Amino acid sequence: EDQVTQSPEALRLQEGESSSLNCSYTVSGLRGLFWYRQDPGKGPEFLFTLYSAGEEKEKERLKATLTKKESFLHITAPKPEDSATYLCAVQSSSSNTGKLIFGQGTTLQVKP
Amino acid sequence: NAGVTQTPKFQVLKTGQSMTLQCAQDMNHEYMSWYRQDPGMGLRLIHYSVGAGITDQGEVPNGYNVSRSTTEDFPLRLLSAAPSQTSVYFCASSMAGGPGNTIYFGEGSWLTVV
Repeated sequence: EDQVTQSPEALRLQEGESSSLNCSYTVSGLRGLFWYRQDPGKGPEFLFTLYSAGEEKEKERLKATLTKKESFLHITAPKPEDSATYLCAVQSSSSNTGKLIFGQGTTLQVKP
Repeated sequence: NAGVTQTPKFQVLKTGQSMTLQCAQDMNHEYMSWYRQDPGMGLRLIHYSVGAGITDQGEVPNGYNVSRSTTEDFPLRLLSAAPSQTSVYFCASSMAGGPGNTIYFGEGSWLTVV
């Protein structure tokens, strides 16, 4: 069964304190791994798509990496405005529905 | 630049009532879908459509109907609301359902069934 697990569930950082969020997945053929950011009361906002092991993508203070079993979202020198819930999702090649299988998210709080 | 627009934002229903959540996108996307988000469950796919006139069930379709008469619109109907359908609903769209197509989400519709 395709599955996505994110850890930790919650993370508190001081401004400037770098850290990483983990997304472990089991899927019968990875079509793509997606990272989204979700602010309270809002819909998920697309950040990155990764397709193959070894791939990396960056956007401002965020960097996403991918291995055959997990993905990391590295946050360098975070600011309070980076506080949000970060969602990881995968698309499986066993499904032709375009369905995204989501993890439960990591809620990040960055204190000034 | 509207993207994916959902209405209403908030709704309270009584058990047994029916209603329709509206979703429209202005990006000419072929693929549209509905997810629900529940605490501890993540986002789960309810129904999806790969183009006008074509719909299919996702992971949790029971109690919901959809139709796709135009490329732009993909309404979600609750036939007889139940408390278990209290949730946040997100409509999403992409160019197609295959790999390499980013899925964009609406702002959500908060539904409470009492």
